[in-house]
Amino acid sequence: AQKVTQAQTEISVVEKEDVTLDCVYETRDTTYYLFWYKQPPSGELVFLIRRNSFDEQNEISGRYSWNFQKSTSSFNFTITASQVVDSAVYFCALSPYSSASKIIFGSGTRLSIRP
Amino acid sequence: GAVVSQHPSWVICKSGTSVKIECRSLDFQATTMFWYRQFPKQSLMLMATSNEGSKATYEQGVEKDKFLINHASLTLSTLTVTSAHPEDSSFYICSASAREGDLNEQYFGPGTRLTVT
Repeated sequence: AQKVTQAQTEISVVEKEDVTLDCVYETRDTTYYLFWYKQPPSGELVFLIRRNSFDEQNEISGRYSWNFQKSTSSFNFTITASQVVDSAVYFCALSPYSSASKIIFGSGTRLSIRP
Repeated sequence: GAVVSQHPSWVICKSGTSVKIECRSLDFQATTMFWYRQFPKQSLMLMATSNEGSKATYEQGVEKDKFLINHASLTLSTLTVTSAHPEDSSFYICSASAREGDLNEQYFGPGTRLTVT
């Protein structure tokens, strides 16, 4: 079975704090892709990152960083020095290679950054 | 980057009527298009996968006679919600897939908010 679990339903932090969003996935495929998307109140999905299963290097993009660990099937997302504009729902997602790009979304984490 | 549009962005219809939502890939040809549904404060759930010129593949639990999908060209897919009911009120998001190397890149549309009264 393929599944993505985001255990944190809602997180609220004060601006400038660091925050980590957890993501755990399940798949039997050896080749797969992991994603993070941001969904602001407008509803439009904003692509943040894609990682394939063979690339475990951590990635940093500005205030965003991602930690991919196959040993624990986790793909966590950290926002450093959070800002109010980071408030949104964040989805972790999985695309099993065998499913020809079908994307399975986690339940999402609603992040609120308080000024 | 690749752009996917949806029309309309929001629609209100009366119970029992049908409504059509269009999904277009504006600057690329999409081999496959996907339709997702998102209820308030919930995740995106895949409804169906459609390939140009063939019948859509529906996910378990999705009524194919209620949610008609037509993928007539490589740039256009339509979702028709037939005999809509208030419980069909949701945010419908399409995505279009284009082959790039070894990966089917998937690009999402901005979504269509459907309210059935």
